[in-house]
Amino acid sequence: DGGITQSPKYLFRKEGQNVTLSCEQNLNHDAMYWYRQDPGQGLRLIYYSQIVNDFQKGDIAEGYSVSREKKESFPLTVTSAQKNPTAFYLCATSKGLVWRTDTQYFGPGTRLTVL
Amino acid sequence: GQQLNQSPQSMFIQEGEDVSMNCTSSSIFNTWLWYKQDPGEGPVLLIALYKAGELTSNGRLTAQFGITRKDSFLNISASIPSDVGIYFCAGQSNFGNEKLTFGTGTRLTIIP
Repeated sequence: DGGITQSPKYLFRKEGQNVTLSCEQNLNHDAMYWYRQDPGQGLRLIYYSQIVNDFQKGDIAEGYSVSREKKESFPLTVTSAQKNPTAFYLCATSKGLVWRTDTQYFGPGTRLTVL
Repeated sequence: GQQLNQSPQSMFIQEGEDVSMNCTSSSIFNTWLWYKQDPGEGPVLLIALYKAGELTSNGRLTAQFGITRKDSFLNISASIPSDVGIYFCAGQSNFGNEKLTFGTGTRLTIIP
């Protein structure tokens, strides 16, 4: 079954704790992205990766970190430095530079609530 | 980062009515995408447009890539209850070199 998997669907953490959100894909896409969505707002780009072992900051990278050790996986860590981490987090993938298209496909999302 | 101007922000319509929404940008785009997001889910790609003037349909949905390359339109004909959700446009300046820019969304509500 092809697609993008994000886990868990809902995540609760205490303030000051780091938390890692999982994103896995079996679409063989080169590029992966993390977005944050707040109520009533559009998507804001946190980090993206065009290729394994490389990633770039997006528009709101402060307080977040990522890794891209495998093509299939792009985990996002929300650190204690993120001032307002409660949000809906979306992972996306695209075929990447080689295919000259950035049409992105999204996972189901993880809703993070910091108590 | 830049965001597209998407309008209207929300729409309340009756079942069976047609729907129109649009996105405008101050920059030229080479790609326009339209997504639909259900509550608590990730956006799903509806239509992708790659050429100025292009008109593409997907069932009851039709989207157009504006001639100026600075706007795009989405129409939904004969709306049904499952059309409820938030519709996002997204644009890209250069193939594979620029990040997508997303609109702020149009929330569609269907009145029984």
